[in-house]
Amino acid sequence: SQTIHQWPATLVQPVGSPLSLECTVEGTSNPNLYWYRQAAGRGLQLLFYSVGIGQISSEVPQNLSASRPQDRQFILSSKKLLLSDSGFYLCAWSGRQGRSYNEQFFGPGTRLTVL
Amino acid sequence: QQQVKQSPQSLIVQKGGISIINCAYENTAFDYFPWYQQFPGKGPALLIAIRPDVSEKKEGRFTISFNKSAKQFSLHIMDSQPGDSATYFCAASIWGNTPLVFGKGTRLSVIA
Repeated sequence: SQTIHQWPATLVQPVGSPLSLECTVEGTSNPNLYWYRQAAGRGLQLLFYSVGIGQISSEVPQNLSASRPQDRQFILSSKKLLLSDSGFYLCAWSGRQGRSYNEQFFGPGTRLTVL
Repeated sequence: QQQVKQSPQSLIVQKGGISIINCAYENTAFDYFPWYQQFPGKGPALLIAIRPDVSEKKEGRFTISFNKSAKQFSLHIMDSQPGDSATYFCAASIWGNTPLVFGKGTRLSVIA
């Protein structure tokens, strides 16, 4: 079976500090990978998605970047965090064997607080 | 044209009642419509999905109704329970390798 991991689960960072959030998927190959941000009590904002190693599509120009160094690893980064970067960051994957790439499965999320 | 409009923003239902959440879309190319359930502090979980070849899909107490001509689809939760209290998101995409477009979510509270 497939599982998706995100770490850390929670993070408190000062304004101006760097950020690195990691997401890995187990039990599948060639998944599509996605990063979403969810502000408190708000909807899901797609930040980046990737259909393969080194292939990143950015949906919202902002203070963040994403990389996919390995097939099942997706990293979200920032060089200098802003207060507005606070939120719940969710990684998702799709492409379960025999199923459509439309079916997305979300990870447990990382709660980021920027002070 | 890429938007999916979801209503209501919040919903309070008595235990045993029917919860109904509606979504509307503009892009006629959309042909995959899932619903996700999210509990506080957790990632959303795929609940049920429909494609336009059927007008209704039922899984347990959860039913999706789809109206292609009106470009609308809805989630019905029968016999709503306090454990159903969560935020529900509708979404849409073009079948294939395209990202989902999400609605803004509905916060459902089921009270005893």
